[in-house]
Amino acid sequence: SAVISQKPSRDICQRGTSLTIQCQVDSQVTMMFWYRQQPGQSLTLIATANQGSEATYESGFVIDKFPISRPNLTFSTLTVSNMSPEDSSIYLCSAQRGQGNTGELFFGEGSRLTVL
Amino acid sequence: AQSVAQPEDQVNVAEGNPLTVKCTYSVSGNPYLFWYVQYPNRGLQFLLKYITGDNLVKGSYGFEAEFNKSQTSFHLKKPSALVSDSALYFCAVRDPGGYNKLIFGAGTRLAVHP
Repeated sequence: SAVISQKPSRDICQRGTSLTIQCQVDSQVTMMFWYRQQPGQSLTLIATANQGSEATYESGFVIDKFPISRPNLTFSTLTVSNMSPEDSSIYLCSAQRGQGNTGELFFGEGSRLTVL
Repeated sequence: AQSVAQPEDQVNVAEGNPLTVKCTYSVSGNPYLFWYVQYPNRGLQFLLKYITGDNLVKGSYGFEAEFNKSQTSFHLKKPSALVSDSALYFCAVRDPGGYNKLIFGAGTRLAVHP
């Protein structure tokens, strides 16, 4: 398995500000994803972080609101821009080794954001 | 579009009894199916997966799951529940013919009582 570290683990933010979440994997991975989870609820995929190119966003998520970077095979960032209370959530980074759809994803501990 | 359903919000089991957490799926082809567990204030941990082959797959912590193609189900089971199994369980599916994304069910909270 891969060890995934996320920073910050939690934060309280003011409305209108932006916050960048960092995700570091302890080894090279082929795929990285960002999910959002309301506490105790299911996970919603925000985007796939592509190394060296623009992220692939799911319906309902746009680059201006959630810019993502992935400069190499072990690191990615997610920025939550111009935050509102509706953005209060847990943001989870995940990664997969190997190609294709058969590999399992590994998850970080999540970053819990509260927007006031 | 691929989807997965977990019909029970919560499952209550007495310690030592068998447990089942239900999952059904919908994909256009043969599915790749996964189970994850989430303990309070933690990330998700992988339990097991079905890709192909034997319909009964064994995973971590004594859990197993049975793939049933005719019923489009992938129920999670354990012969004897422990209080420490109490957590949130997620079923997830990938469509092998589609993009790489993993789609999660709503989750089932398992409560094991002493």
